[in-house]
Amino acid sequence: AQTVTQSQPEMSVQEAETVTLSCTYDTSESDYYLFWYKQPPSRQMILVIRQEAYKQQNATENRFSVNFQKAAKSFSLKISDSQLGDAAMYFCAYRSQGGSEKLVFGKGTKLTVNP
Amino acid sequence: EPEVTQTPSHQVTQMGQEVILRCVPISNHLYFYWYRQILGQKVEFLVSFYNNEISEKSEIFDDQFSVERPDGSNFTLKIRSTKLEDSAMYFCASSLTRGTTGELFFGEGSRLTVL
Repeated sequence: AQTVTQSQPEMSVQEAETVTLSCTYDTSESDYYLFWYKQPPSRQMILVIRQEAYKQQNATENRFSVNFQKAAKSFSLKISDSQLGDAAMYFCAYRSQGGSEKLVFGKGTKLTVNP
Repeated sequence: EPEVTQTPSHQVTQMGQEVILRCVPISNHLYFYWYRQILGQKVEFLVSFYNNEISEKSEIFDDQFSVERPDGSNFTLKIRSTKLEDSAMYFCASSLTRGTTGELFFGEGSRLTVL
């Protein structure tokens, strides 16, 4: 079974600075997808960024980028130029390419952005 | 922007009572999911639903749980006889396409407290 581990329960960053959230996962599959979801307080979880395991190029979405290290099974999220609205719980998630469509989540990292 | 809505936002019930959690997915979406998060634990997959039948379920989703789409717009999760360990935040999600690349849109969650 796949597992996802987020080793940082909480992180903080100064506004306009850069922060990196860590995620590692365990799987025996070679093809899969990795996701970062953001959940602001009392709001829905929304997709921040997605990475296909077969792609070597790291995904980027504006200020959000990932460092995907397939051999190390590591998938970190970098937030550049942090904004107050980035404060949220961030979840790393794994999904198989074939077969099961369930998302396997990490425990989450609570990000605080200080003005 | 269309979003997934869930009701109630919080429900308190006595052990052994039946509970129905309701979700209105995004209107053109075809795939529906329930996840739950026990306090302090990971978000866990419960069930996926497509074409009026369960397509996948986890070992958590035992005979006490059922899902249905009674009227083409609502998607409900029923817990027949609640236990203390059913206390959790329950998240509904929907997706336009199946599978690994289909982006899931989550609701804000329904908090269930079983006394």
